Amino acid sequence: QVQLLQSGAEVKKPGASVKVSCKASGYTFTNYDLNWVRQASGQGLEWMGWMNPNSGNTGYAQKFQGRVTITRNTSISTAYMELTSLKSEDTAVYYCARGNSGYYSKWFDPWGQGTLVTVSS
Amino acid sequence: SYELTQPPSVSVSPGQTASITCYGDKLGDTYPCWFQQKAGQSPVLVMYEDNTRPSGIPERFSGSNSGNTATLTISGTQSMDEADYYCQAWDSSTVVFGGGTKLTVL
Repeated sequence: QVQLLQSGAEVKKPGASVKVSCKASGYTFTNYDLNWVRQASGQGLEWMGWMNPNSGNTGYAQKFQGRVTITRNTSISTAYMELTSLKSEDTAVYYCARGNSGYYSKWFDPWGQGTLVTVSS
Repeated sequence: SYELTQPPSVSVSPGQTASITCYGDKLGDTYPCWFQQKAGQSPVLVMYEDNTRPSGIPERFSGSNSGNTATLTISGTQSMDEADYYCQAWDSSTVVFGGGTKLTVL
C-alpha cells in the first residue's frame, strides 16, 4: 500500500537547522508531487511547499521563502525538508503528503505520520 | 492573500446531520478538498474535487460547493466522526487551509 514514512523527532536550539526525511513506498516516487505541511500544537495546518520529484522543481509558501529547502534522492524514494534559522515558533509537527492530480484540482493523500520538531534553548 | 474561513466548532447529536462550512472568495471555482484529523493522528482525506469520496470513506460523507461556500455534510453522524475538519483549496500555485472546525458528537 502507499505509505510515507518520516524520520523521528528532533530537538534543536534556536538558530539551528533541521532536516526531516520522508520515504515513499508502494508507488513510483517520481510520478507524484510531494508536499510539506506543518502544525503547531493546538493549531491548524500550514502549507510550506511542494516538490516534483521527477524534475526537482519546487515551490514554497511566501512565509518560508529563503528558510526552507525541499530536496529528494530518487534512488531511495526519499524527500527531505530542511528548515534553517529555527525559532521557537517553528516548534510543530511536520508532515509530508503526496500530491494527487485530477481533472480539476490536486489533493493530498496519503500523509506521513508526522515528525515533531522542538526548538528550545 | 487568499483566506478560507470555517466555524471553530460544530456540535451534533449522534444519528443527526452535521454540516461544516468553508467560506472563501469565489471558492466555487476552486474545487476544494476536506481532511479529517482525529486527536494525535495525521490528517486523512475525506473529500476532493468538491464532492468525490476517496475509497474507504463512508457514504455518509458528502460535499458540495457553490458560489463562495463549500460544505462538508455528514449524514447519520457517528461518535467515530468526532474530529477536526479542514478545508483546503489552491490559490494560483499556493495551498490554503481553512482554520479548522472541531466537530463534537454529543
